[in-house]
Amino acid sequence: DAGVTQSPTHLIKTRGQQVTLRCSPISGHKSVSWYQQVLGQGPQFIFQYYEKEERGRGNFPDRFSARQFPNYSSELNVNALLLGDSALYLCASSSQVTYGYTFGSGTRLTVV
Amino acid sequence: QKEVEQNSGPLSVPEGAIASLNCTYSDRGSQSFFWYRQYSGKSPELIMSIYSNGDKEDGRFTAQLNKASQYVSLLIRDSQPSDSATYLCAVNLKISSGSARQLTFGSGTQLTVLP
Repeated sequence: DAGVTQSPTHLIKTRGQQVTLRCSPISGHKSVSWYQQVLGQGPQFIFQYYEKEERGRGNFPDRFSARQFPNYSSELNVNALLLGDSALYLCASSSQVTYGYTFGSGTRLTVV
Repeated sequence: QKEVEQNSGPLSVPEGAIASLNCTYSDRGSQSFFWYRQYSGKSPELIMSIYSNGDKEDGRFTAQLNKASQYVSLLIRDSQPSDSATYLCAVNLKISSGSARQLTFGSGTQLTVLP
């Protein structure tokens, strides 16, 4: 079975640009969460979606937005990129919100 | 107080020793607790989950949970060089009152097992 898939793997953007990151959860998983991880820190929670509804949002500015589609795949959008947005963006899926999550391999975003 | 706090390390143990990793959390109502392993340049991998007080063993790994003390730990027996990684404690907790529970991570403990 395919795991959580994320695209693209790597991305380089310029300050002020916009970026869209994509995630396909494990088949049957209805919960998708997005995390940002900077070097030396644990993943920081950005969004959680369950059954296409937003269930939670972390302490991130409104430049960050996300959505979940009917097939449970998800997109994370970041507008007006800042240098500080450079990080590994992780998508995780779970069959239930209280279960452990399986992570994708992540998207490495570099803002220059 | 951080929502999920881990001993920052780094931690070095000789091969064959027991590695002990500790974690405390702020939300007394939390019910789900996890340990993830993250190799350098890779994404986190779930290695243990625990939901009830006490010990849970899986091979060389033992997770311990004490909800009264808001404490969860991971023991790695017979440590191997391949266990060298960052270990992340994660707790399903409420970020703020009225919010749904979210999987929240500590900053991780870097473990090095010396041959």
